[in-house]
Amino acid sequence: AQSVAQPEDQVNVAEGNPLTVKCTYSVSGNPYLFWYVQYPNRGLQFLLKYITGDNLVKGSYGFEAEFNKSQTSFHLKKPSALVSDSALYFCAVRDNAGNMLTFGGGTRLMVKP
Amino acid sequence: SAVISQKPSRDICQRGTSLTIQCQVDSQVTMMFWYRQQPGQSLTLIATANQGSEATYESGFVIDKFPISRPNLTFSTLTVSNMSPEDSSIYLCSVEDSARPNTEAFFGQGTRLTVV
Repeated sequence: AQSVAQPEDQVNVAEGNPLTVKCTYSVSGNPYLFWYVQYPNRGLQFLLKYITGDNLVKGSYGFEAEFNKSQTSFHLKKPSALVSDSALYFCAVRDNAGNMLTFGGGTRLMVKP
Repeated sequence: SAVISQKPSRDICQRGTSLTIQCQVDSQVTMMFWYRQQPGQSLTLIATANQGSEATYESGFVIDKFPISRPNLTFSTLTVSNMSPEDSSIYLCSVEDSARPNTEAFFGQGTRLTVV
């Protein structure tokens, strides 16, 4: 069975500082990995994904994520955080057999001015 | 990408009543899903809405409580029946392309349900 772990319930960052939101996964075969963001009273918005190729993936709003196969991780990063980045972030995984998306528990990112 | 219109966006309902949530997609999609999300929590899959047949429910969810319809490839409804305060949650519909597992899922904006 596939699974996703987001070890931090909340991450606090000062505006302008780099941020990292952690994600580790377990899946049979090669993974498809996704990050989503959820702003208050909104649905989930797609940020970026890793399918194959370059381990560093760039996405929306200046976010990027690094796929690390040996550590089975897919951490979300941004070089300089904005207050408007404050939201709930979800990591998700699907195996390449096309099984259901599995979501992590979510990490609340708080960026303070 | 798919644009999903989900309504109502929120509702406050009396216990014992039922609420039907609608999900309309701007294109034909193979897979439609319904999730429940407690505020600030992760998503729990309720069921897969199958076009032209009964929905496939996950463990802990039953058709009598959460009847689902999917009359065509662009529309689905989820009904929360005989509601109790424990049903207060956010309900989300989602669509995916089963023929392309490397593509992302798209979500409606959610329905925030409060049962009093």
